Amino acid sequence: ETGVTQTPRHLVMGMTNKKSLKCEQHLGHNAMYWYKQSAKKPLELMFVYSLEERVENNSVPSRFSPECPNSSHLFLHLHTLQPEDSALYLCASSQGAAGNNEQFFGPGTRLTVL
Amino acid sequence: AQSVTQLGSHVSVSEGALVLLRCNYSSSVPPYLFWYVQYPNQGLQLLLKYTTGATLVKGINGFEAEFKKSETSFHLTKPSAHMSDAAEYFCAVSEGSGGYQKVTFGTGTKLQVIP
Repeated sequence: ETGVTQTPRHLVMGMTNKKSLKCEQHLGHNAMYWYKQSAKKPLELMFVYSLEERVENNSVPSRFSPECPNSSHLFLHLHTLQPEDSALYLCASSQGAAGNNEQFFGPGTRLTVL
Repeated sequence: AQSVTQLGSHVSVSEGALVLLRCNYSSSVPPYLFWYVQYPNQGLQLLLKYTTGATLVKGINGFEAEFKKSETSFHLTKPSAHMSDAAEYFCAVSEGSGGYQKVTFGTGTKLQVIP
């Protein structure tokens, strides 16, 4: 595998379910990000981990819980979601703090909450 | 604080015609500017970026963008559209902060290419 991978690619869940999204980066980067992409809205930054430490939590509801066990893996644990949480969830990684470095994105998980 | 405005959520061009996607930004520090492309059912992919130096930046697939500080603009162009250019394009401004990049994305412009 190369780049950034995400599983599953599609997920349908009820409001009472618990599920997890997984992201893995094979680029040796030290920062990882979760974004939410909804129709007609800019990408919303949810969480950032730098060197496995959470450095940003962008006012995300507690029904979303991130986990970064090491610099290559990032999880997003989901529980008691709402229909408005249906969106494309994108994971990204980057190297270092320099603003001129690009972010590398995974293909996303399309989440539907019934 | 930084922000990005993309004019036009949808743009249609004929195959072979000029592509022009507009982006204006605001930033309190010298900006790092990016264009990303997203094809259906895929994540975002970097097209090109401006950091310092030459203001005309060339990217992949024949795209280029020009940084104009006086106009706070970073418009994306391609001389001749191809069917494979149909996708959504995102302009972004970035600054480094606390060990990671703080990136602000525009709302995106969907490019339709008409045969």
